[in-house]
Amino acid sequence: SQQGEEDPQALSIQEGENATMNCSYKTSINNLQWYRQNSGRGLVHLILIRSNEREKHSGRLRVTLDTSKKSSSLLITASRAADTASYFCATDSLPQVNAGNNRKLIWGLGTSLAVNP
Amino acid sequence: GAVVSQHPSRVICKSGTSVKIECRSLDFQATTMFWYRQFPKQSLMLMATSNEGSKATYEQGVEKDKFLINHASLTLSTLTVTSAHPEDSSFYICSAKGLAGGTGELFFGEGSRLTVL
Repeated sequence: SQQGEEDPQALSIQEGENATMNCSYKTSINNLQWYRQNSGRGLVHLILIRSNEREKHSGRLRVTLDTSKKSSSLLITASRAADTASYFCATDSLPQVNAGNNRKLIWGLGTSLAVNP
Repeated sequence: GAVVSQHPSRVICKSGTSVKIECRSLDFQATTMFWYRQFPKQSLMLMATSNEGSKATYEQGVEKDKFLINHASLTLSTLTVTSAHPEDSSFYICSAKGLAGGTGELFFGEGSRLTVL
């Protein structure tokens, strides 16, 4: 079942602008991950932030995590047309007793980002 | 990053036939693979978790006899949609985790678009 919610559901910006997407979740987590999906393709892992981390950077990506508010944000700076895609957050939620390597991710509904040239 | 190959990328079949989709981890051993279904403009819906050498664990509401999953080796899992019907038309995506779970990120195949006529 899905528990994550992203907002906005759709975002349209101009090249060069920053794009911010938010994700909220409901249970305690081990970590939160962001993925990107180009239309009709598989997903690509972007960044993972652990529950004891508050901020993480990777290139033009910046992810924040607020466990008290059960929310995360993904910021893409200086966006490019090639950043056009859907972005999903996924949580490795707790508890998953005895799950071992079968730990499931709980997926958000996604944000569709369009970056216009 | 790790590479997961999914084949075929597109398949069209007649109602009543069976279709097999393969998911291979090319440069790592995947103890656990996840099979997802995705409807247009929606998030991922986990269908089942497969482990090498054991029976798959299906999510509630997913018919085991309809969606046969086999994980015969550490690099190959297959999903067979049996007696396919038009309502089975969808985008199916596999993902894999490496040995010892790694950092928890998933590596995705490119997806298989199934159209049942």
